[in-house]
Amino acid sequence: AQSVTQLGSHVSVSEGALVLLRCNYSSSVPPYLFWYVQYPNQGLQLLLKYTTGATLVKGINGFEAEFKKSETSFHLTKPSAHMSDAAEYFCAVSGSGGYNKLIFGAGTRLAVHP
Amino acid sequence: DAEITQSPRHKITETGRQVTLACHQTWNHNNMFWYRQDLGHGLRLIHYSYGVQDTNKGEVSDGYSVSRSNTEDLPLTLESAASSQTSVYFCASSESRDTRGRGYTFGSGTRLTVV
Repeated sequence: AQSVTQLGSHVSVSEGALVLLRCNYSSSVPPYLFWYVQYPNQGLQLLLKYTTGATLVKGINGFEAEFKKSETSFHLTKPSAHMSDAAEYFCAVSGSGGYNKLIFGAGTRLAVHP
Repeated sequence: DAEITQSPRHKITETGRQVTLACHQTWNHNNMFWYRQDLGHGLRLIHYSYGVQDTNKGEVSDGYSVSRSNTEDLPLTLESAASSQTSVYFCASSESRDTRGRGYTFGSGTRLTVV
């Protein structure tokens, strides 16, 4: 079984500051890990994913995440926040292989201040 | 362009009524999913389908049902709406059963209020 814990339901940063959104997972099998973003009144969009290979994954809009097996973490970062980054971010996990479903965390709402 | 559409976008219904939320995708994806989104819980899986005539229960399936008679549609029915079912509902589809693929494509959601 898989589960996800996102630390911090709300994160606030200043424009230009580092963004760090935390995600820890639990999985009984090698996991696949995902970050999704949800802008107001919209569905979810895939930011990036880790399946196999390089543990540092780059996604859209300057975001990246690092899979750390020893820490069971997959934190999302961006060096410099933009106002347009304000949204809700969801970490998700699935088991590797077929017939697996995405299990989502509770989400983190990111606010960016001028 | 291929898309996944949900209707209606907003719905208010009364306790005890049967309600059906529509989900239609033109991606020709075999796999379709229904999630509900609630504050503090993120997205929780209600039902899913891996193809025509296939349906499966998710973690919060009580009070909900789905049917899959064609590839494009997976309607979600609330048999007897309850206030606890007030939520935002998202439909998603995917090309592959292996989530390594292109991931899930989400609809824009249906906001359901049960009064």
